[in-house]
Amino acid sequence: QKEVEQNSGPLSVPEGAIASLNCTYSDRGSQSFFWYRQYSGKSPELIMFIYSNGDKEDGRFTAQLNKASQYVSLLIRDSQPSDSATYLCAVTTSGTYKYIFGTGTRLKVLA
Amino acid sequence: GAVVSQHPSWVICKSGTSVKIECRSLDFQATTMFWYRQFPKQSLMLMATSNEGSKATYEQGVEKDKFLINHASLTLSTLTVTSAHPEDSSFYICSAPGAGRGYEQYFGPGTRLTVT
Repeated sequence: QKEVEQNSGPLSVPEGAIASLNCTYSDRGSQSFFWYRQYSGKSPELIMFIYSNGDKEDGRFTAQLNKASQYVSLLIRDSQPSDSATYLCAVTTSGTYKYIFGTGTRLKVLA
Repeated sequence: GAVVSQHPSWVICKSGTSVKIECRSLDFQATTMFWYRQFPKQSLMLMATSNEGSKATYEQGVEKDKFLINHASLTLSTLTVTSAHPEDSSFYICSAPGAGRGYEQYFGPGTRLTVT
């Protein structure tokens, strides 16, 4: 069974710090990796995606992918209280839009 | 990014009745849409893939006769929960693929269904 695992948290970080969120996946055929942010009672919002090994930066966010170790991470620099949300990792296999979601990590940024 | 809308945003219905939820792609065409269900404090679970002009593909364990999906046009997919029961109360979210090569999906705002 293909699985995507995340620490449920909550992960608490002070305002201005770097938040590091991790995700591991079981299927070596996975090709595209996504990070979504979901506020309570709302639907997921795409933060960024990555499909090549290494780092990808977008503003305060950096996604890191290591296919050999089968993990993907999201770094949030200069964390703000408005970043407090659940962060979902999603993975697809080759040539498909079908996502497998992790259970999400709840992030709390303390003012 | 692509914009996906859902209607209604919330609905309360009595047990045994049916409820229809609409999902629209507003500024793009979507031959495929996805329907998810999310229970409190759980992640999204894919229910089915909606295909324009053909039958939906349901995930294992999802009753296709209970959750009717119709993809009537390139911008509209509907999910009808038939003979709803309290255990069907959940947050239903649709999504559509973006136009990029990264296989990203864009989610609608969701529909909160409460069955009394």
